[in-house]
Amino acid sequence: EAQVTQNPRYLITVTGKKLTVTCSQNMNHEYMSWYRQDPGLGLRQIYYSMNVEVTDKGDVPEGYKVSRKEKRNFPLILESPSPNQTSLYFCASSLIREGRNEQFFGPGTRLTVL
Amino acid sequence: DQQVKQNSPSLSVQEGRISILNCDYTNSMFDYFLWYKKYPAEGPTFLISISSIKDKNEDGRFTVFLNKSAKHLSLHIVPSQPGDSAVYFCAASAHGAGSYQLTFGKGTKLSVIP
Repeated sequence: EAQVTQNPRYLITVTGKKLTVTCSQNMNHEYMSWYRQDPGLGLRQIYYSMNVEVTDKGDVPEGYKVSRKEKRNFPLILESPSPNQTSLYFCASSLIREGRNEQFFGPGTRLTVL
Repeated sequence: DQQVKQNSPSLSVQEGRISILNCDYTNSMFDYFLWYKKYPAEGPTFLISISSIKDKNEDGRFTVFLNKSAKHLSLHIVPSQPGDSAVYFCAASAHGAGSYQLTFGKGTKLSVIP
């Protein structure tokens, strides 16, 4: 089954404790992206990757890191989480085709930073 | 500054009637537009898209209309069904400018009343 998986689905942590949210896709997609969803703000892009070893900042990259060592994986790293990073996070992937970019989303990771 | 705006946070429609969800954008570089549907506790799922070279795209009960001069698009659902109750996000990207980044609106919560 074609899918984007994220782990963990739920996480409660404390300020300053490094964490990683994993994202994996089995569709051989070049493009992968991380978003956060906050009440009243919709979906905002954190980082994206056009292919292996190619990553770039989205609209809200502060406090986050990513890596793309393999095509299928795109982990999101919070080196020192803070309460303002409490949010619902989505990973997405898509093929890069001229004129089209329908992104497939994972189920989400709800993160609470105390 | 919000580049994609969904000015109606919520919409209620009777089952069987038409649902019309609206979206406005400000960035004239946007040339590809998408609608996503999101149920609680799930990731957004792609619904329908339209390129700026078209003014209408239809897929079953869903039709998207694009008015480039007004920088406005709308999603029509006919007939509306209770299973259509979800949050709908409008998104846009500037493929012609080499960007596959999606910019999302804040979403409209549709409630279809049986």
